[in-house]
Amino acid sequence: DQQVKQNSPSLSVQEGRISILNCDYTNSMFDYFLWYKKYPAEGPTFLISISSIKDKNEDGRFTVFLNKSAKHLSLHIVPSQPGDSAVYFCAASGSNFGNEKLTFGTGTRLTIIP
Amino acid sequence: NAGVTQTPKFRILKIGQSMTLQCTQDMNHNYMYWYRQDPGMGLKLIYYSVGAGITDKGEVPNGYNVSRSTTEDFPLRLELAAPSQTSVYFCASSTPGTLNTGELFFGEGSRLTVL
Repeated sequence: DQQVKQNSPSLSVQEGRISILNCDYTNSMFDYFLWYKKYPAEGPTFLISISSIKDKNEDGRFTVFLNKSAKHLSLHIVPSQPGDSAVYFCAASGSNFGNEKLTFGTGTRLTIIP
Repeated sequence: NAGVTQTPKFRILKIGQSMTLQCTQDMNHNYMYWYRQDPGMGLKLIYYSVGAGITDKGEVPNGYNVSRSTTEDFPLRLELAAPSQTSVYFCASSTPGTLNTGELFFGEGSRLTVL
C-alpha cells in the first residue's frame, strides 16, 4: 500500500524553464510534507517542507504547494538549473506518528537540459 | 562535523552470511533510523531509535536487528543474508522537539549485494 505516490518516474525540463514535480498521498493523517533531493552515490538531503496549516511555502527558487482537499502537493523549481538534475523524493509524516514515521514516495528523476 | 557516517560503502555477501552495517553521527541527535532503497522504490524504514537503549521496528524489519548503546552509534545487523536484502541502505538522524519537522540527515549509503 503506497501511501505517498509520485506517478512520474522521470521528468526532463529545459534550463531556465519551470520544473513541476507532483506527489499524491492517501493517508489523511499526514500533516507535514517534505521534499528531499538525491544525487547519485549520495544520501538524500532535505530541500523544503510544508505544514498542513499552509498551502504554500517558498524558499528561493523552490516553492511547495499543498492542496489538502485533493491530497496533492507539488514542488516548483524556477528557473531550473543544471545542478537541479537529481532524484526528488516526496515524504510525509503525521503528528500522531512522531518524528520517526516519515513515509517516502518512489521518487522522480529530474533532468535539466542545458 | 562529519554528520552521519556509514561503513562500509559497498559489500558483497554470500547467501547465509551475516554482517553489520555501521552508522555513527556526531550531531548529538536523539533519533536515528535505518532505511533501505530498492530500485524504483522509495525509502522503506527498517528500524528506528528515539534514544540510547530504545529501538523499534519500522515497516520492513524482518531479517534485521539493531542496537543503540550510545547516542552516536546505531549499527544494523543482517543475519543469514538473503538475495531479497540486496539494496542500498541509508542511515539517518534527526532531532526531536521541532514541531515534527521531520528533517532527517542522511549518510551516503551502503550498497549491499547478496549473491
